[in-house]
Amino acid sequence: TQLLEQSPQFLSIQEGENLTVYCNSSSVFSSLQWYRQEPGEGPVLLVTVVTGGEVKKLKRLTFQFGDARKDSSLHITAAQPGDTGLYLCAGYTSGTYKYIFGTGTRLKVLA
Amino acid sequence: GAGVSQSPRYKVAKRGQDVALRCDPISGHVSLFWYQQALGQGPEFLTYFQNEAQLDKSGLPSDRFFAERPEGSVSTLKIQRTQQEDSAVYLCASSSEPSGGFFNYGYTFGSGTRLTVV
Repeated sequence: TQLLEQSPQFLSIQEGENLTVYCNSSSVFSSLQWYRQEPGEGPVLLVTVVTGGEVKKLKRLTFQFGDARKDSSLHITAAQPGDTGLYLCAGYTSGTYKYIFGTGTRLKVLA
Repeated sequence: GAGVSQSPRYKVAKRGQDVALRCDPISGHVSLFWYQQALGQGPEFLTYFQNEAQLDKSGLPSDRFFAERPEGSVSTLKIQRTQQEDSAVYLCASSSEPSGGFFNYGYTFGSGTRLTVV
């Protein structure tokens, strides 16, 4: 049972479009991370958000942590084919050792 | 090494065969996780080690799965009497920080072992 639900599950868009991926939970997370994974490779860390309401920018990627630290979003501006991949949110609930991942969003950006 | 190394990269096993998957974490890393990932889905937690201690094995799907990290560095995930439903990518991740702390800045992953049971 995964506590982190991501939406949408799949997304296919044209180059230059904007998109938002959501990561939601009923549990509070002390921090959340976003990863991108390409076929045949392990997930690669993009960002960590720690403070409720925090917004972080990484070039064309904007990450936001919800005020209650139960949800997060990833917004990509002017998507490029190189953004194609599986996007994953991850974190652990306070008081546990279990670091869990979201259900994943598979993004395909068409040239 | 500079990164997390997993071997073999690919393993084909006949149903009923035992397999052993190896993970070499980044030197000195305290935390080590194993995950199972089905195609297109997020990794599912299997087990967590802090040094040589296995602090959480609640994600191991059955008693056919066994993991060890005897000296607090290299870890092995063993699957006995493999079944077709065991086919997946098995990922290993490590971190210099112990899990459970307030600030967790993410983990470094290996490229995984793709296990196919035929």
